[in-house]
Amino acid sequence: KNQVEQSPQSLIILEGKNCTLQCNYTVSPFSNLRWYKQDTGRGPVSLTIMTFSENTKSNGRYTATLDADTKQSSLHITASQLSDSASYICVVSALSGGADGLTFGKGTHLIIQP
Amino acid sequence: DGGITQSPKYLFRKEGQNVTLSCEQNLNHDAMYWYRQDPGQGLRLIYYSQIVNDFQKGDIAEGYSVSREKKESFPLTVTSAQKNPTAFYLCASSLTGGDGNSPLHFGNGTRLTVT
Repeated sequence: KNQVEQSPQSLIILEGKNCTLQCNYTVSPFSNLRWYKQDTGRGPVSLTIMTFSENTKSNGRYTATLDADTKQSSLHITASQLSDSASYICVVSALSGGADGLTFGKGTHLIIQP
Repeated sequence: DGGITQSPKYLFRKEGQNVTLSCEQNLNHDAMYWYRQDPGQGLRLIYYSQIVNDFQKGDIAEGYSVSREKKESFPLTVTSAQKNPTAFYLCASSLTGGDGNSPLHFGNGTRLTVT
């Protein structure tokens, strides 16, 4: 069964500090991996997509990494801001799947404290 | 501004009543989806549609129904047969049919409370 596990479940850090969120998956065959940011009471928004051949991709202060061998991804947030407080969801797409080929993680709830 | 509009934002219903959640998009996307989000769980797919007048069941379709009569619209009806309907419902669309290559664009959700 395809699975996506995210850690930690929740995280509290001070404004200005860095943090790293983890995503481990067992989806096969792998197509791509996306990180989404979901503000409270809103819909998720795509931050970045990682394909099999990509190791690192940045989007402003967000940097995603992918290790396809160990089936792990991370999302690193640099110099955190209060607006980074949100849930971050890892979504992995299976190569052969259609709309039902997406597997969602439960998310990491990040709180940035001033 | 292009996007997905879900309405209403909050919805309250009595047990035993059917309720319809609205989802409209002006992104000209072919594919549309309904997900359910519960605390501590990942998003779960209820129904999806890759083309007008066609839709498929997702993982948790029981107690729900949909229609896709227009490209822009994909309403979800929560029927009285759904045993635990209280949840946050998210509608999404994508340019192509959900293979992950096109990002999902989400609406801002409808929080349904059934008492």
